[in-house]
Amino acid sequence: GAVVSQHPSRVICKSGTSVKIECRSLDFQATTMFWYRQFPKKSLMLMATSNEGSKATYEQGVEKDKFLINHASLTLSTLTVTSAHPEDSSFYICSASEPGHLGNEQFFGPGTRLTVL
Amino acid sequence: DAKTTQPPSMDCAEGRAANLPCNHSTISGNEYVYWYRQIHSQGPQYIIHGLKNNETNEMASLIITEDRKSSTLILPHATLRDTAVYYCIVKGSARQLTFGSGTQLTVLP
Repeated sequence: GAVVSQHPSRVICKSGTSVKIECRSLDFQATTMFWYRQFPKKSLMLMATSNEGSKATYEQGVEKDKFLINHASLTLSTLTVTSAHPEDSSFYICSASEPGHLGNEQFFGPGTRLTVL
Repeated sequence: DAKTTQPPSMDCAEGRAANLPCNHSTISGNEYVYWYRQIHSQGPQYIIHGLKNNETNEMASLIITEDRKSSTLILPHATLRDTAVYYCIVKGSARQLTFGSGTQLTVLP
């Protein structure tokens, strides 16, 4: 299957700083990527849909000014957590699928563990 | 997209078949059934998907009932590395996946 990478895999930062997480599709082009957040022992929750060349679509309750998404190319989407606070500590996961017919599987990155002190 | 219901946990002996059920009684005609799994602290891994016919790949088999209201994921010979949370997801025209709580499968030695 297709490969999606994330960088960094783990980050620890101080409260009030910003953290950027990269998501790359390594062997295919993705016009759409998705960003999820997962708290301990909980399921994945969709945060936003990242569209190449246009603004991201955020799910209800997700602050677009706090979670900045940029999808500047067909293989890269970035999520920036601005002014991070301890409650933003979570496992952030991106996914991507090749554009095409209904029924295409979606491929996930390995996740980024964010800890805000 | 239709909602799914899965048992919260299951155990399976190593080497035996693991049969994971999923109910999706409100599934629509154009919605696919997807299965993903998530090993602890990793991103979800795609396993298999189907529309109405049974499907098989190198990882698993997917059995969908004729009325499409339920399905079963079968891991034919479970190993300890198959211990994970298994998610059954129904997806239609929306491109995003909506995850439920899944089934924690524990393969026992």
